[in-house]
Amino acid sequence: NAGVTQTPKFQVLKTGQSMTLQCAQDMNHEYMSWYRQDPGMGLRLIHYSVGAGITDQGEVPNGYNVSRSTTEDFPLRLLSAAPSQTSVYFCASSYGRTGDTQYFGPGTRLTVL
Amino acid sequence: GDSVTQMEGPVTLSEEAFLTINCTYTATGYPSLFWYVQYPGEGLQLLLKATKADDKGSNKGFEATYRKETTSFHLEKGSVQVSDSAVYFCALRGPFYGQNFVFGPGTRLSVLP
Repeated sequence: NAGVTQTPKFQVLKTGQSMTLQCAQDMNHEYMSWYRQDPGMGLRLIHYSVGAGITDQGEVPNGYNVSRSTTEDFPLRLLSAAPSQTSVYFCASSYGRTGDTQYFGPGTRLTVL
Repeated sequence: GDSVTQMEGPVTLSEEAFLTINCTYTATGYPSLFWYVQYPGEGLQLLLKATKADDKGSNKGFEATYRKETTSFHLEKGSVQVSDSAVYFCALRGPFYGQNFVFGPGTRLSVLP
């Protein structure tokens, strides 16, 4: 089991560029989510999905798009990068029941200049 | 909405000291409760969890008891080690299928030799 994998590990973008952060899991989890972690801000939920074809917005969705065409993959797209999107991004997955553990990927550190 | 409050720290202790990190929550219904740990440069990983009132979660010498009457889930360890230095997050997940996790702001722990 690879668990939750994320690519790339590091990325530098210029303002206005677009890119996709990749996330995949091999545990057949229905629930997947994206968080951003900023110093002193804890984790903030960007988007989440409760199954293939179903996505919804979290706390801070502006400037980001997601899709869930398969159970395994949940990519996060930055449409037009801004310096305010400089952050560490974590993808996570779990089964959907209340007591199910959420597993996190290793993170992508993004810098927008 | 649901929320989690925890002491933000930083907390600095000497090796072999007793650790308590307080966590209280507000939630509708009966959530499951979690403690996650994040070591430098890594993603979050589950430390322990409890899914119903009076349950005690334990792992690696850490313990926390689900107290419904005080809506608390305080993390304790009897004797901390330098290797316990990390950020600790308290979290909850509501009782219904597919609900999101709600995280506290995290508590940074530094253990000095």
